[in-house]
Amino acid sequence: KQEVTQIPAALSVPEGENLVLNCSFTDSAIYNLQWFRQDPGKGLTSLLLIQSSQREQTSGRLNASLDKSSGRSTLYIAASQPGDSATYLCAVRGMTTDSWGKLQFGAGTQVVVTP
Amino acid sequence: NAGVTQTPKFQVLKTGQSMTLQCAQDMNHNSMYWYRQDPGMGLRLIYYSASEGTTDKGEVPNGYNVSRLNKREFSLRLESAAPSQTSVYFCASSDPTRPGASYNEQFFGPGTRLTVL
Repeated sequence: KQEVTQIPAALSVPEGENLVLNCSFTDSAIYNLQWFRQDPGKGLTSLLLIQSSQREQTSGRLNASLDKSSGRSTLYIAASQPGDSATYLCAVRGMTTDSWGKLQFGAGTQVVVTP
Repeated sequence: NAGVTQTPKFQVLKTGQSMTLQCAQDMNHNSMYWYRQDPGMGLRLIYYSASEGTTDKGEVPNGYNVSRLNKREFSLRLESAAPSQTSVYFCASSDPTRPGASYNEQFFGPGTRLTVL
């Protein structure tokens, strides 16, 4: 069974520092991996989706890398701002028929960016 | 485009009461999902519907039923609510058949916060 882990569970950085968020998964047979942002009391906002054939995806200050063979993805947020404070979740979609379309989530990393 | 909408936003139930959570999407997606989110556990899939007319169990289906009313709407029903069902419920949709970079990107609603006393 696929297990997705995000360490650390919480992170606090001063404004301007680069953020590095980690996601690991136990089964490398994935179709894609998606990073989400969740603000307190709100739903999930999709940030980046990386297909299994890709090594990275970029959007503005965000860059996500994927190393499928080692079961790892990293989300980089450059020059962090207080508005980046949120919980960041990663989720993987498996390749088997049984896991069709379904996402397996990590528990998230809660980020606080201090002014 | 409203994306994915959910009603109600908040609900308090007593043990044994029933209720239905509503979800609708206007993106013409084929697939829809119901998740629950509990502290420290991430999101867990309750039920999903790969396409109109089909539904399947996810990781934690016990105590729930679903209906895919049409392509737009997917409802989640609690027949006899229990305190263990206190959670935040999210509906999502995607289109796994759509090619390109957004293949199977899931879009989420704002959630329903349910408390069972």
